[in-house]
Amino acid sequence: QKEVEQDPGPLSVPEGAIVSLNCTYSNSAFQYFMWYRQYSRKGPELLMYTYSSGNKEDGRFTAQVDKSSKYISLFIRDSQPSDSATYLCAMSGGSNYKLTFGKGTLLTVNP
Amino acid sequence: EADIYQTPRYLVIGTGKKITLECSQTMGHDKMYWYQQDPGMELHLIHYSYGVNSTEKGDLSSESTVSRIRTEHFPLTLESARPSHTSQYLCASSITGELFFGEGSRLTVL
Repeated sequence: QKEVEQDPGPLSVPEGAIVSLNCTYSNSAFQYFMWYRQYSRKGPELLMYTYSSGNKEDGRFTAQVDKSSKYISLFIRDSQPSDSATYLCAMSGGSNYKLTFGKGTLLTVNP
Repeated sequence: EADIYQTPRYLVIGTGKKITLECSQTMGHDKMYWYQQDPGMELHLIHYSYGVNSTEKGDLSSESTVSRIRTEHFPLTLESARPSHTSQYLCASSITGELFFGEGSRLTVL
């Protein structure tokens, strides 16, 4: 079993839709959870960074962590065509700064 | 916005050539990383450094080598490139947990 599982999609939604992206993980030591956005032929860009369980909101983006279920989510409200990209979840544990990534979910928002 | 630069962005070379992928950051971050990314696959850590003169191999075995002589500079070298080395190489840096990535170097070995 992989440490981090992420549905690769692809996911196609109409403009204005609410998007839900998810990852599950198996390593109980993971404490830091991140979401990255990667446009085609670009490097990943940090979107959200959370620690421990709970919700964190930043504009149209909400990151949710449920450590008891080992499940994290990223919600995008009022999705825009500019949100079309691959979204990667990533996580690390303790003082180990090495990240473990999911495979990424390819999202297309259609105008 | 993160200031981390990778060169070249794209490189096509023949088998057996020696190549160096450059990575520089201007943020003074002590930690730097090299990840390899293939289409549809996870990013895999191949090298990391927690400071000057400190380098470690990552989770994915790689024939490449790295050096960290200066805080801001973390080059990756392949002594003899092979087609199996064709991939995207991403450099990143951090102070705490979140990584900041460069644009990537896409290497094609013919």
